[in-house]
Parts: sequence; C-alpha cells; structure tokens
Amino acid sequence: EDQVTQSPEALRLQEGESSSLNCSYTVSGLRGLFWYRQDPGKGPEFLFTLYSAGEEKEKERLKATLTKKESFLHITAPKPEDSATYLCAVQAIPNFNKFYFGSGTKLNVKP
Amino acid sequence: DGGITQSPKYLFRKEGQNVTLSCEQNLNHDAMYWYRQDPGQGLRLIYYSQIVNDFQKGDIAEGYSVSREKKESFPLTVTSAQKNPTAFYLCASSRNGGDTEAFFGQGTRLTVV
Repeated sequence: EDQVTQSPEALRLQEGESSSLNCSYTVSGLRGLFWYRQDPGKGPEFLFTLYSAGEEKEKERLKATLTKKESFLHITAPKPEDSATYLCAVQAIPNFNKFYFGSGTKLNVKP
Repeated sequence: DGGITQSPKYLFRKEGQNVTLSCEQNLNHDAMYWYRQDPGQGLRLIYYSQIVNDFQKGDIAEGYSVSREKKESFPLTVTSAQKNPTAFYLCASSRNGGDTEAFFGQGTRLTVV
C-alpha cells in the first residue's frame, strides 16, 4: 500500500537555528514528490516538485532533497515567518491521478 | 488573477441536511480534486476528476457526491449519509490529468450544528 510518513509531528526552533524535516514514502513506483506549506485556516501553498533520486530544489531558506526512500526539507536560518505546517505528498506509478499526503510537520520558529 | 476559488469560507449544517461546497478554477486545468482535512491528519482524497463528465471515488467517498459538468467547476455535496462531516474541505486542480503539481483553494470549514 502506498504510504507517506512525515517526522517530526512538531518542531520548535529558535530564529536562525537550522534543521530538517523528513518525509518517508513507500510506493510501488514514484512519479513525483511534492512539498507544500500550509498556514492555519488556509489551503496548502505549493513549494517544490522532485522527480528523481539526487534531485534538489531551493527557494530562499528552503531546500528540498530526494532519495529513493525519503525526502528532506532543509530550513536554513529560519525566521518566525517560516512558521507553518509543511506537507509532503507523492504521486505513484501507475495511479498518478492521486496525491498521497503525509500528516505534516508543524514548524514553530521563535524570535 | 488565475486561481481556485472555494465558497463559502465557513458553512454550518444542521443534522440531516445536504450541503454543497463550491469550487471554481480559471487555470484551464483538466484535473480537479476534493480533499478532507481533520486536525492532526493528512489530507484524505474524497473524489477526483480528470475530465469533464467523468469522476472517480477517492479513499473516503461514502456520504459525498460530485459533478463535473464544466471544466471550471467541481462542486461537492455533503449528504446526510456522511456521519461525521465536520472538517476542513480543500479543492485542488492540476494540469494534464494529474501529471503535475496540484494547486489548492483556500478551503471551506464545515460545521454540523
């Protein structure tokens, strides 16, 4: 069964304290892995798509990486405005019409 | 501006009533999706549609119904058969029948009173 697991469930950081969020997946074949940011009471906002092991994408303080079994979202020198829930989703081959979501990591960055 | 519009933002339903959540997109996307989000849980797929006049059940379709009469619109009806409808509902769309990332609306929070 296709499955996505995110860890930790919650993460508290001091401003400037770098860390990583993990997304582990079990799928028959990976079509794509997606990272989203979700603010309270809002819809998820698309961040990155990764398609193959070894691929990396960057945006401001965020960097996403992908291996054959997991993806990491690295946050460098975070700011309070980076506080949000970060969601990971995968599309699996052959049924890539569906996105399977993890339960998210709630990040809180203290000033 | 292109995007996905969900309405209303908040919706209250009495037990035994059907309610319909609206989702409209002007991104010219082929695929549209409905997800349910409960506190502390990931998004769970209710229904999805790759093309007009066609849709498929997701993982938790019981108690819900949809239609796709126009490319731009994918309304979700929460029926009285849904025993625990209080949740945050998210609509999304993507290009090429689901072959790319999905973009989300701002959600509808449904509460049973």
